[in-house]
Amino acid sequence: AQKITQTQPGMFVQEKEAVTLDCTYDTSDPSYGLFWYKQPSSGEMIFLIYQGSYDQQNATEGRYSLNFQKARKSANLVISASQLGDSAMYFCAMRGKTSYDKVIFGPGTSLSVIP
Amino acid sequence: DSGVTQTPKHLITATGQRVTLRCSPRSGDLSVYWYQQSLDQGLQFLIQYYNGEERAKGNILERFSAQQFPDLHSELNLSSLELGDSALYFCASSPQGSPSTGYTFGSGTRLTVV
Repeated sequence: AQKITQTQPGMFVQEKEAVTLDCTYDTSDPSYGLFWYKQPSSGEMIFLIYQGSYDQQNATEGRYSLNFQKARKSANLVISASQLGDSAMYFCAMRGKTSYDKVIFGPGTSLSVIP
Repeated sequence: DSGVTQTPKHLITATGQRVTLRCSPRSGDLSVYWYQQSLDQGLQFLIQYYNGEERAKGNILERFSAQQFPDLHSELNLSSLELGDSALYFCASSPQGSPSTGYTFGSGTRLTVV
């Protein structure tokens, strides 16, 4: 069965600093996709970044990058130059090999950016 | 506006009652997913529909049911409600044939059972 682990319930980071949010996963599928979502206090779920299991390069989207280490089954999210608006819950998620497969979510990490 | 519409945004009801949550997916998306987010359980996958047919089932209680209609909107029916059913219920949709595309979530329905 697929499983996502996020071991950091809460994190603090100084404004303008970089922060890494940890995510490890478990799956027996050779092909899968990994996602990160942001949930601000307003409640909506915002898609941030995607990494495919066969992608050779780590995904990047603006200030977000994904440190993908396939052998270690980890997909850490790196946020550079943190902003106050980055304060939110962050969820790591995984989907099977097709776009039809369901996505399972980790328990989330609460990030607080300190001015 | 994400393009996924959920109604109502808030719902307060008594134990034992039945409610229906509605979701309209983003235009062109055939897949609809329902998730329950509670404080102690996190985001739990409930059920998935693709073009009107049930595709996958998660930890959905027997008191809960869902369907997707020919116009692709979906409804989640929750019956014999208990206090523990209080949660944020999300609907999400995704386009087919694009594994790298994340779900687009609706803004959720916050259900409070009193």
